[in-house]
Amino acid sequence: SQKIEQNSEALNIQEGKTATLTCNYTNYSPAYLQWYRQDPGRGPVFLLLIRENEKEKRKERLKVTFDTTLKQSLFHITASQPADSATYLCALDGGGNKLTFGTGTQLKVEL
Amino acid sequence: EAGVAQSPRYKIIEKRQSVAFWCNPISGHATLYWYQQILGQGPKLLIQFQNNGVVDDSQLPKDRFSAERLKGVDSTLKIQPAKLEDSAVYLCASSWTGNTIYFGEGSWLTVV
Repeated sequence: SQKIEQNSEALNIQEGKTATLTCNYTNYSPAYLQWYRQDPGRGPVFLLLIRENEKEKRKERLKVTFDTTLKQSLFHITASQPADSATYLCALDGGGNKLTFGTGTQLKVEL
Repeated sequence: EAGVAQSPRYKIIEKRQSVAFWCNPISGHATLYWYQQILGQGPKLLIQFQNNGVVDDSQLPKDRFSAERLKGVDSTLKIQPAKLEDSAVYLCASSWTGNTIYFGEGSWLTVV
């Protein structure tokens, strides 16, 4: 069956460092992979989308890589700030905008 | 631009009672989604509408959940009768063309 794995343990890093979050999947051939941010008590907010034929995508301090051979995506936040503290969800789209979400990784950026 | 509106934000009901959630998507968005998010998990798609037609409801527990989108605009999700395991956040989302999905703030359901 399809499985999406994100690190369930919270990631604590110091302000200014680069945060790297991992999304691994099995038994899936997604056309797209998306990353969302979710703050407590709020709905997810779209951050970045990367297509299966793209290796890397950037947006300001955010960078996403997508390796369809390893079945893995890495999500990087450079020069992290306390305001980046949130849960980050990866979602796979096999087509038709039908997203399957991972469980998310909580990021805490400390001063 | 107004976002996806949902109501009520919070609801507490006893098991076996019924509950309904309402969603108004972003104006002009043809696709509307209902997701269920249980605490500590990622959102799970329950149903996807394209205008007022159902695209995918394969994960909707149809014995107790129902959803409709009359006139292709706002939508209602109903649970009857509720079970303890239905305690979750019910997220409505919408999209136009492309792949960006916009979520509402969610309706929090506690079944006691």
